[in-house]
Amino acid sequence: KAGVTQTPRYLIKTRGQQVTLSCSPISGHRSVSWYQQTPGQGLQFLFEYFSETQRNKGNFPGRFSGRQFSNSRSEMNVSTLELGDSALYLCASSLGGVGDTQYFGPGTRLTVL
Amino acid sequence: QQQVKQSPQSLIVQKGGIPIINCAYENTAFDYFPWYQQFPGKGPALLIAIRPDVSEKKEGRFTISFNKSAKQFSLHIMDSQPGDSATYFCAASNTGNQFYFGTGTSLTVIP
Repeated sequence: KAGVTQTPRYLIKTRGQQVTLSCSPISGHRSVSWYQQTPGQGLQFLFEYFSETQRNKGNFPGRFSGRQFSNSRSEMNVSTLELGDSALYLCASSLGGVGDTQYFGPGTRLTVL
Repeated sequence: QQQVKQSPQSLIVQKGGIPIINCAYENTAFDYFPWYQQFPGKGPALLIAIRPDVSEKKEGRFTISFNKSAKQFSLHIMDSQPGDSATYFCAASNTGNQFYFGTGTSLTVIP
């Protein structure tokens, strides 16, 4: 079974631009969660989508948004990029039940200049 | 605020040693506690997980110890090997399936 894939793997943007990241979950998984990983902060939860609906949301500003399609693929959008948005963005997929194992993708490394 | 506090930030042990990584939480609604291992350039991978109804779980060389009253849990790596050198994250989730991660521990095992 193919793992979680994320595209692109690397991205360089400038302040004020917007960016869209993509995540394809493991086949059969209906839940996709997004995390921001920075040194010293660990993984910070952004949001979780389940069956095309946002089920959980972390404490990030409204510039961070997401959506999920009927095939469970998910996209994350960040508008008006700031220098502090530079991070590794990880998505994780699971079956969506309580305590189900989350499987992470390799991440998208975003650099904001 | 950080829902799950992890220590130490970094750890260096000799091959064969037993590194111990500790985590603490406050929210008693957490009911699932996984540990993840992350190698450079890769996403985290589930290593072992425990629920609060047991005090210890072993899988191979990895053991989780769980103290419900103290709201603490720890990862022990027996007979550590250079290949165990990675960053380890503890996490906790509630019935809402939202996961909270610790800040990570960078482990180096010296041959």
